[in-house]
Amino acid sequence: GENVEQHPSTLSVQEGDSAVIKCTYSDSASNYFPWYKQELGKGPQLIIDIRSNVGEKKDQRIAVTLNKTAKHFSLHITETQPEDSAVYFCAAKSGTASKLTFGTGTRLQVTL
Amino acid sequence: GAVVSQHPSRVICKSGTSVKIECRSLDFQATTMFWYRQFPKKSLMLMATSNEGSKATYEQGVEKDKFLINHASLTLSTLTVTSAHPEDSSFYICSAISGRATGELFFGEGSRLTVL
Repeated sequence: GENVEQHPSTLSVQEGDSAVIKCTYSDSASNYFPWYKQELGKGPQLIIDIRSNVGEKKDQRIAVTLNKTAKHFSLHITETQPEDSAVYFCAAKSGTASKLTFGTGTRLQVTL
Repeated sequence: GAVVSQHPSRVICKSGTSVKIECRSLDFQATTMFWYRQFPKKSLMLMATSNEGSKATYEQGVEKDKFLINHASLTLSTLTVTSAHPEDSSFYICSAISGRATGELFFGEGSRLTVL
């Protein structure tokens, strides 16, 4: 089955700096890679996703890149703000399966 | 994005009782919903896949007789924790595949269960 690894487990950045979270996956058949933001006591919220037919996708301050050859994808957050502080999860899914495999999560802390 | 509503958000019960958690897709029909369990500071653990009109598919190690899942309509799936014990205390989260062809997965707000 699919295995998704995520790094780092914790990340502290100053407000205005950029944050990068990286994930690797094992199943070359995976073709859908979403990122979720989870605030304390709440369910995960889909913030951006990418499919295997593109290498990069951007939405305002967040972007995701995908390297299919190396089987890794990354989340980039620019101009970080305190409200970006949360736990971020990457995930992967193959076209033949409907369930997602999640990474272990990254706790992002944006300090003033 | 699509809206998935989960109820109740918090529930406290006594050992031995059963608790039902509801998951509704508010603006789309979901033939497939998923139930997750999350321990503090941990990732989401898939418990089961709920398919409308058929039996749920449970992940290895999840007791199907303890965690009863019913997906009676295209907008509602329920998780019943039967004969709850303190070790069942956890954060339970449901999710549903959107009706779009792209198939994004959206999550409910989660339900925190505390068993005394």
